[in-house]
Amino acid sequence: KAGVTQTPRYLIKTRGQQVTLSCSPISGHRSVSWYQQTPGQGLQFLFEYFSETQRNKGNFPGRFSGRQFSNSRSEMNVSTLELGDSALYLCASSWAGENTGELFFGEGSRLTVL
Amino acid sequence: GENVEQHPSTLSVQEGDSAVIKCTYSDSASNYFPWYKQELGKRPQLIIDIRSNVGEKKDQRIAVTLNKTAKHFSLHITETQPEDSAVYFCAASGFQKLVFGTGTRLLVSP
Repeated sequence: KAGVTQTPRYLIKTRGQQVTLSCSPISGHRSVSWYQQTPGQGLQFLFEYFSETQRNKGNFPGRFSGRQFSNSRSEMNVSTLELGDSALYLCASSWAGENTGELFFGEGSRLTVL
Repeated sequence: GENVEQHPSTLSVQEGDSAVIKCTYSDSASNYFPWYKQELGKRPQLIIDIRSNVGEKKDQRIAVTLNKTAKHFSLHITETQPEDSAVYFCAASGFQKLVFGTGTRLLVSP
């Protein structure tokens, strides 16, 4: 079965712009979580969506937002980009939730903010 | 909220040696502890996990131990091989949220 798909894989933006990233989970998975990965900071949790509802949120500013559609596909949006937003953004899907079983990660979207 | 500390940040071993990575967590209610391996340029993948009702779990050359009293859990890799070189992340589930450690870069030299 197809894995988790993230688009775009790479993108370059300038400060002040906004960006939308997309994640298609494994078929049948209802939970999608988003993480920011930067060197030395590990995987920092952004938010989790389950059945179109945000179930958990990490400690990121309101510029970071997301949503989930009825087909479980998810998007995250970052507005008013800052240099510090440069990172690899990973999404992960699971059947019931991130704390109940294996997370299946996508390959990530690498964002560079100039 | 949950806080997970992971040590060491970098670990270099010779092929065939054992490697141990340690994590501590803060939330005594955490009950799920997975370990993920991320090879260079690739996505993280689950290698082993343990729940709070057991103290140890093994899968071939890897094992995880959990000490709930001390709020410690560790990953043990025996007979390391060059293909074990990667970044390893521990995690603990607090209240409905999985919190990751900052990762350990393991380098296995032939």
